[in-house]
Amino acid sequence: AQRVTQPEKLLSVFKGAPVELKCNYSYSGSPELFWYVQYSRQRLQLLLRHISRESIKGFTADLNKGETSFHLKKPFAQEEDSAMYYCALTLGPSGGSYIPTFGRGTSLIVHP
Amino acid sequence: EPEVTQTPSHQVTQMGQEVILRCVPISNHLYFYWYRQILGQKVEFLVSFYNNEISEKSEIFDDQFSVERPDGSNFTLKIRSTKLEDSAMYFCASSELIAGSPLHFGNGTRLTVT
Repeated sequence: AQRVTQPEKLLSVFKGAPVELKCNYSYSGSPELFWYVQYSRQRLQLLLRHISRESIKGFTADLNKGETSFHLKKPFAQEEDSAMYYCALTLGPSGGSYIPTFGRGTSLIVHP
Repeated sequence: EPEVTQTPSHQVTQMGQEVILRCVPISNHLYFYWYRQILGQKVEFLVSFYNNEISEKSEIFDDQFSVERPDGSNFTLKIRSTKLEDSAMYFCASSELIAGSPLHFGNGTRLTVT
């Protein structure tokens, strides 16, 4: 079965520092990867997906099939980036399911 | 912007009782989901629903659980005979299409079984 691993429960950085939230997955096919974010007292929402190859709020993520990773990066963290970040995977058309499997999440705290 | 709404925000029930968690998905969405998150653990898929029937379900979604779309707007999750380990945050979500569409989540219902 597919699995998503986010090794860090908590990541604490200072404003302006680079951020990398790690996500590794286990699936032998061609998955689709997503990052969802949950700000304090708000709902879980999509941040970005690998097929879009876009930068949202300064965040980018590159799918590395060799390392089976989809790490989320931002060069200069802002206080408003403090939130819970979830990596998610779907099996895509080759896997026959589009139901996202989520990691356990990483809490990012950006200090002033 | 349209949102998925869930009621109640917090439900407390006694072990063995039945609970119904309610959700109103975004009106033009076709796929509906329930996920749960036990405190400190990952967000886990329970069930997806399309065209008035279950399209996928996980191992967690056993005979204790059922879903229903009783009218054109509501989508409910019923838990029969609740257990202590059912205590969790339950999230409803909807999406326009299933093929790679992002999920739009509700704020969740915190279920506490005592």
